[in-house]
Order: sequence, then structure tokens, then C-alpha cells
Amino acid sequence: DGGITQSPKYLFRKEGQNVTLSCEQNLNHDAMYWYRQDPGQGLRLIYYSQIVNDFQKGDIAEGYSVSREKKESFPLTVTSAQKNPTAFYLCASKEAVQSYEQYFGPGTRLTVT
Amino acid sequence: GQQVMQIPQYQHVQEGEDFTTYCNSSTTLSNIQWYKQRPGGHPVFLIQLVKSGEVKKQKRLTFQFGEAKKNSSLHITATQTTDVGTYFCAGYTGNQFYFGTGTSLTVIP
Repeated sequence: DGGITQSPKYLFRKEGQNVTLSCEQNLNHDAMYWYRQDPGQGLRLIYYSQIVNDFQKGDIAEGYSVSREKKESFPLTVTSAQKNPTAFYLCASKEAVQSYEQYFGPGTRLTVT
Repeated sequence: GQQVMQIPQYQHVQEGEDFTTYCNSSTTLSNIQWYKQRPGGHPVFLIQLVKSGEVKKQKRLTFQFGEAKKNSSLHITATQTTDVGTYFCAGYTGNQFYFGTGTSLTVIP
């Protein structure tokens, strides 16, 4: 089956620890995105990548880092510098040119205490 | 900065009633997409509108894109309990998607 996988579904961390969220796609999509969703709010863009080894900051990149070493993978690290890391994190991908439709993974719910 | 506003934030309707959610962008968009997110789930693509004044229909759902490509609406006719969820618009400009805050629809049987 083609699609996007995110793991784990639920993640718990202590304050002050860095944590990396996984996002893998086998859709052969060039572009990948990370969004954050807070209760009752829309999706806010953290980082996006349109090609391997290149990525750009979104509106709320502070306290986050990413890498894009492979086309299929776009991991997100939530660092201890992120002041309010508890949220639902969604990864998405799309073809670069032919289609603007984004395909979303199931999400990771991160709780930091 | 770029903003996409969406109203209303919440809507409760009796099953069989109609429902409409509206999106407004602060700038002109290349296109606009609509997504549905069921409770506990992830957003699922519904449709994309590209042309000024475009209207598209999917069964009981009607999507419109404004003439100035700055606003859009989603209308559901005769809601069903399966329509429950949060509906988001997402405007595309400058290689980014800007999501509206979403409208949470509750359908009362």
C-alpha cells in the first residue's frame, strides 16, 4: 500500500528533552511538510521541503529542526527550545508539480510534561 | 503576513439541514483546497479550486472560489451524520499552504 506513515502515534517526553518524530512516504513525492495542530485551531506550517537536501522554514519553525537526506523521509526534531511542544503533529507530502493535493499521515500526538 | 480566516468556528445542525463554511484570504491565492478531518483523524483532501469564480460539486457538497481568488465557500445540502468533522480550507501561495482555522460541524440526529 502506498502512503505516509508517522511513528509513534503517541509520544510522551519530559521537559528539556529533544524528541524526533518520524515521517516516511512511499508515494515518490518530492515535497514534504510538517504541520502542528493545537486544539480548536488550524494547521500551522513548521517546515517544508521541496527536494532532497533542501528545506525551508514555515511560520512557526523556532524550536524545531528537520533533515531531508532521502526523498522518502522527513524527520522532525522537537528541541528543548520549543516552549509549548505539546501538540498533534502532522506530516504531509505531495507531488511537486503535477498536483497540489497533500496526502497526510495519521499524525503523532506529543505530550511533554 | 498571509492569513486565511474561516467562519464559523463551530456549527451545530439538525440532520437534514444545510451547512456552509466560509474562507477569506488576506491576499490572492493560486488555488484553494478543502479538507475534512474526522474526530481523532487526519485531514483528507476533498477538492481543489483553481480558476476565478469556479464552482465544483461532489454529490451534496458545493465548493466555490471567489472572482478575486481571495475567498471560498463549502456548502453541504441536507447534512447527514457522516458529515461530522472539521472542514478546513487551505490557500496555496508562495509554495506554501495556509490553512484556515477550520469549522467543526456537529450533526444532531
